[in-house]
This record gives sequence, structure tokens and C-alpha cells, in this order.
Amino acid sequence: EPEVTQTPSHQVTQMGQEVILRCVPISNHLYFYWYRQILGQKVEFLVSFYNNEISEKSEIFDDQFSVERPDGSNFTLKIRSTKLEDSAMYFCASSEGSYTDTQYFGPGTRLTVL
Amino acid sequence: AQKITQTQPGMFVQEKEAVTLDCTYDTSDPSYGLFWYKQPSSGEMIFLIYQGSYDQQNATEGRYSLNFQKARKSANLVISASQLGDSAMYFCAMRANDYKLSFGAGTTVTVRA
Repeated sequence: EPEVTQTPSHQVTQMGQEVILRCVPISNHLYFYWYRQILGQKVEFLVSFYNNEISEKSEIFDDQFSVERPDGSNFTLKIRSTKLEDSAMYFCASSEGSYTDTQYFGPGTRLTVL
Repeated sequence: AQKITQTQPGMFVQEKEAVTLDCTYDTSDPSYGLFWYKQPSSGEMIFLIYQGSYDQQNATEGRYSLNFQKARKSANLVISASQLGDSAMYFCAMRANDYKLSFGAGTTVTVRA
């Protein structure tokens, strides 16, 4: 069964460093998303991406964040200068279509900023 | 804006019994989708079940069923014949006329042997 994959599973970085989180969405899906979950809290939407551009973003997704689809399979989230409060689980998700189509999540990348 | 409320932070259920997890939502959009996800202690988010706002029948998926009461804006998840492997956090989520899923705070379910 097709699934969303994410690498790495765990990333530890120093404050101020840049990190890139990688995702491979399900191959026939057209919509891609990033969410984050700070430990013990609810899952929060960051950004959605369709047709090689951002379709929606939350107030969390400020200038420190960027997304890219560098080739036909990968979808990346870059955090330019990490802060302590960026420590969270980051989930990539994809869906075939928009609105009511189910979003399938990857296993997540746990980011720890020291 | 959409809002999802899960009022039960934690629940205990005996193995083989059924458990109902509450979820209420608020949206002004007439077309929306409701989803339930399971998050085991390992951290991944597993899709369980979907209910569309125009669906006439309640969704079912194996041991999972969704008790959808549109007038009350509720979408409760029922897990029947609970198993030890059902112990996890369960999130209700909604998607309306935009791209993002809005999640509730989650309910932790602990299944006792």
C-alpha cells in the first residue's frame, strides 16, 4: 500500500542552524502539506502546496520557513534559523485532491533544537 | 474559521467493550469533511474514518463507526470490541472550504485487559 515517507525520523540541531526536512508523498497525490505537533499539544497546520506553489499557509509559517518540490517526488520543509520553540514533530501529508479528500500522513520527523 | 472540540482528555475502556469518543465542530461552510486519526505512542498519524457533510449514512470502517449528527454538529467515533492495540491518542479533524485540516485537542484511550 502506498505511503508517505519522511526523513530523517529524528533531527537534532543547534539554535540558529538551518534544517531541511524531507518527505516523499504518495505518487499520484497532487496536494502536499506540512503540519507540526509540539509535544503534548494538538496538531497545527503549517502550509499546503499545489501545482508548485503555496496554496495556503498559517500564521506560524513565517519567513523562516519555506517549502519546495525540488523534483518529481520529494517535498521539503526548510527552517532557515531554528529557534528553541521550533522543537516539535513535523508531519508531511498528501492528498489526491483538495477539500474533502483524505490526507495521509507520514511517520513524522522529530526536530529537537538545542 | 473551523473549530473542533474534543472534551474528553482521557478515557479507559475494558478490552472487548465499546468506547465512544466525542467530537463537536463548528463551521459556517455547508460542505465539509470530518476525519478521525489515531496516534499511537510511536507518534505516527493513522487515518481511521471519514464522513462527508452530505453523506446520508454514518461512515463505518471495520470496528470504527462514526455517529454523525449534523444538526448537533457532532461526529463521535465509536470503537467496538476494543483491543489492547487500540490504546492511543485519537484526533478528530475537519476540513471545509480550504486546504488545511483543523484538529481537536485529542482524546487518550487506554484499553485495560
